[in-house]
Amino acid sequence: GAGVSQSPSNKVTEKGKDVELRCDPISGHTALYWYRQSLGQGLEFLIYFQGNSAPDKSGLPSDRFSAERTGGSVSTLTIQRTQQEDSAVYLCASSTTTSGAWETQYFGPGTRLLVL
Amino acid sequence: AQSVSQHNHHVILSEAASLELGCNYSYGGTVNLFWYVQYPGQHLQLLLKYFSGDPLVKGIKGFEAEFIKSKFSFNLRKPSVQWSDTAEYFCAVRSTGFQKLVFGTGTRLLVSP
Repeated sequence: GAGVSQSPSNKVTEKGKDVELRCDPISGHTALYWYRQSLGQGLEFLIYFQGNSAPDKSGLPSDRFSAERTGGSVSTLTIQRTQQEDSAVYLCASSTTTSGAWETQYFGPGTRLLVL
Repeated sequence: AQSVSQHNHHVILSEAASLELGCNYSYGGTVNLFWYVQYPGQHLQLLLKYFSGDPLVKGIKGFEAEFIKSKFSFNLRKPSVQWSDTAEYFCAVRSTGFQKLVFGTGTRLLVSP
């Protein structure tokens, strides 16, 4: 079975432009997570989707960051007016339903974003 | 707030040496604990996890970790490392009521042949 996939694998953009990053979770996984891996900051949680529940956006660093998940599957992370400090690897993970159970998160290969 | 500390940022070992990577977390409630590994050029992979039960858990490739609740620790061990273990290792914790993982800053392991 396919794992979590992300696109693009690399993205170079100019400061001030908007970018969209895509995540395809493992089929059947209802929970989806976005993390950011940057130098000096390690891996940071950004946002979490679970089924039709309201997402947990507590990790989004600013209102320039937003994410949506359509049809309970594919997710898009959007960064508006990118800044150089947004340069990082953006990781997506998915897991099976979490309704009280402890589930393992499986990670995708990430999108490496470079803001010039 | 939850936090995870990995005290060793860089570790260099020769093949066949024993490995222990430290991981401490700050949270007083029930936790799940994970070790993930990222090999060069590859994505994060689960090495092992602790949910409940036996505090000594065994993972892939001969790795194991011991959960010591009184010390808030979940150290990773391997009796004899191989060159192919060269990678970055991340400890992570998830606490009751939260779905996000909180990661440590990672430990880069270099195993020389």
